[in-house]
Amino acid sequence: DTGVSQDPRHKITKRGQNVTFRCDPISEHNRLYWYRQTLGQGPEFLTYFQNEAQLEKSRLLSDRFSAERPKGSFSTLEIQRTEQGDSAMYLCASSIDENTEAFFGQGTRLTVV
Amino acid sequence: AQRVTQPEKLLSVFKGAPVELKCNYSYSGSPELFWYVQYSRQRLQLLLRHISRESIKGFTADLNKGETSFHLKKPFAQEEDSAMYYCALREGNNDMRFGAGTRLTVKP
Repeated sequence: DTGVSQDPRHKITKRGQNVTFRCDPISEHNRLYWYRQTLGQGPEFLTYFQNEAQLEKSRLLSDRFSAERPKGSFSTLEIQRTEQGDSAMYLCASSIDENTEAFFGQGTRLTVV
Repeated sequence: AQRVTQPEKLLSVFKGAPVELKCNYSYSGSPELFWYVQYSRQRLQLLLRHISRESIKGFTADLNKGETSFHLKKPFAQEEDSAMYYCALREGNNDMRFGAGTRLTVKP
């Protein structure tokens, strides 16, 4: 599968634990986006990267959230001290540039218990 | 601030009937509008974008700047069109903002 890959697909964690998700974009896609989707809502923008540079962060991205894309390829999204409100589907998408179609991964479903 | 509004959470039509999924947006500049679709157990995928002016799977959408709308239309719905549909807005060269989505059900 040469599409956007996310790992893990599902994560159950206890409140207060840290979790890290990985996204592998399509090769040579310079843009990488992270979204969060809760039940009954559309994807909500969290942050995006142009190569390794993080260009924008949403107000939704509290201090407990951090995203990296160190070599401009894969990206990680870490949530520290998870809360029940963090339970959601976390989606990653990538595109060649700002003018082209964004391709989405299958998402990582996080459940905080 | 809500930038993309999809007023209908659920929409149900019979096979062969016309369907229109509504999308309104708020943006002062020149927006780029998209429709994304998510079929059952599949990932979100692009259906069409306003700049391409294409008809995909029989769907069309026209950007109406006066009414700030980008409604998705199909003259004859098919059962395989049943899915979640999301309208999205891209501002400048930045990220996309999505509406809450409309679940379309096409009944036989």
